[in-house]
Amino acid sequence: DTEVTQTPKHLVMGMTNKKSLKCEQHMGHRAMYWYKQKAKKPPELMFVYSYEKLSINESVPSRFSPECPNSSLLNLHLHALQPEDSALYLCASSPRGGPLREAFFGQGTRLTVV
Amino acid sequence: AQKITQTQPGMFVQEKEAVTLDCTYDTSDPSYGLFWYKQPSSGEMIFLIYQGSYDQQNATEGRYSLNFQKARKSANLVISASQLGDSAMYFCAMREGGPETGRRALTFGSGTRLQVQP
Repeated sequence: DTEVTQTPKHLVMGMTNKKSLKCEQHMGHRAMYWYKQKAKKPPELMFVYSYEKLSINESVPSRFSPECPNSSLLNLHLHALQPEDSALYLCASSPRGGPLREAFFGQGTRLTVV
Repeated sequence: AQKITQTQPGMFVQEKEAVTLDCTYDTSDPSYGLFWYKQPSSGEMIFLIYQGSYDQQNATEGRYSLNFQKARKSANLVISASQLGDSAMYFCAMREGGPETGRRALTFGSGTRLQVQP
């Protein structure tokens, strides 16, 4: 299994809603990432988890709250978002240690905030 | 300062021709990895090819090859025999080595949109 699975694929939410994005991998990777990608821009790093612990938060607003309940699962909890938060949210994982090999990406969640 | 620079916002190529997408990078780490990803309009990031900083030979994966010139800090992607399905956004990315996890996250260039014409 060499997949990173993200759900849902599309999400429309209001500014007062609370929703969660889910990311799952079963490759035994111990580093997981959330990226945000605005239209026609490259992905930008949001959070890094290493061994289920948050190691990097790239100054992301608190309305985005990550969670890593176990080594296979990564969530991104959303609350009180703004329309400018509409973007493609990509999850990725990579093996810790060893060669600097590829990161495996999920298909992304396309989020629209209305 | 930009760590990854892609100077071609858009490129056109005729079907069955070869095309080179440019990428230069900047790092002081001796250990790093360079990646190319393809992103079609569906949004998924598809891994194409990887080059490690200590690799002696240029990486190749099928129709993709990476022209790695370490002294010039360039890692250009060459796609041979272009196909219509190659039309997509292409990102060059780098992961710098080091003990901290954060330094292992990918940094992306701004991307090149490739359009293959019949």
